[in-house]
Amino acid sequence: EAGVVQSPRYKIIEKKQPVAFWCNPISGHNTLYWYLQNLGQGPELLIRYENEEAVDDSQLPKDRFSAERLKGVDSTLKIQPAELGDSAVYLCASSSLAGDGTGELFFGEGSRLTVL
Amino acid sequence: KQEVTQIPAALSVPEGENLVLNCSFTDSAIYNLQWFRQDPGKGLTSLLLIQSSQREQTSGRLNASLDKSSGRSTLYIAASQPGDSATYLCAVDNYGQNFVFGPGTRLSVLP
Repeated sequence: EAGVVQSPRYKIIEKKQPVAFWCNPISGHNTLYWYLQNLGQGPELLIRYENEEAVDDSQLPKDRFSAERLKGVDSTLKIQPAELGDSAVYLCASSSLAGDGTGELFFGEGSRLTVL
Repeated sequence: KQEVTQIPAALSVPEGENLVLNCSFTDSAIYNLQWFRQDPGKGLTSLLLIQSSQREQTSGRLNASLDKSSGRSTLYIAASQPGDSATYLCAVDNYGQNFVFGPGTRLSVLP
């Protein structure tokens, strides 16, 4: 069974340019997460989807970040315009339960963004 | 607000040693707790998931325990090997309010 797939693995852009990351979760997982991980720190949640609905986007900087999960399967995270401080690893994860508790969390390999 | 800490931040041991990694959380009203391994430049790999009704889980040389009342979990690694070298992170699930991660413990197992 395929795991969580992310692309691109690496992206280098100039500041003020746009960038987009794509994620395809494990088949059948209705919950999808985007996390941001800075060096030496644990992941921090940006947005969580249950099916097509964004149920928690409180930590998403909405002035420059946007996300969508059309048809409740794959998802795209966009940054426009990118700033130097956005350099980090963007991780996608999925799980199969929702409600009172989430099921086991599975991560993709991540997309490493460098903003010059 | 849930806060998760991990001690020690880094650990270096000779091959063959048994070791314990610690995870503490401030709000004991959690649902699940999950331990992950992260290799440099890679994503997180799930090691063990302890559900709310469980107190421990075992997988091979790994054993994780959970004491919700004291806000603590430990990951025990038996007979450590150089291939165990990685960063180990714990994450707590606040009743579906999302997983909150600790900063990780960086483990080096020396041959």
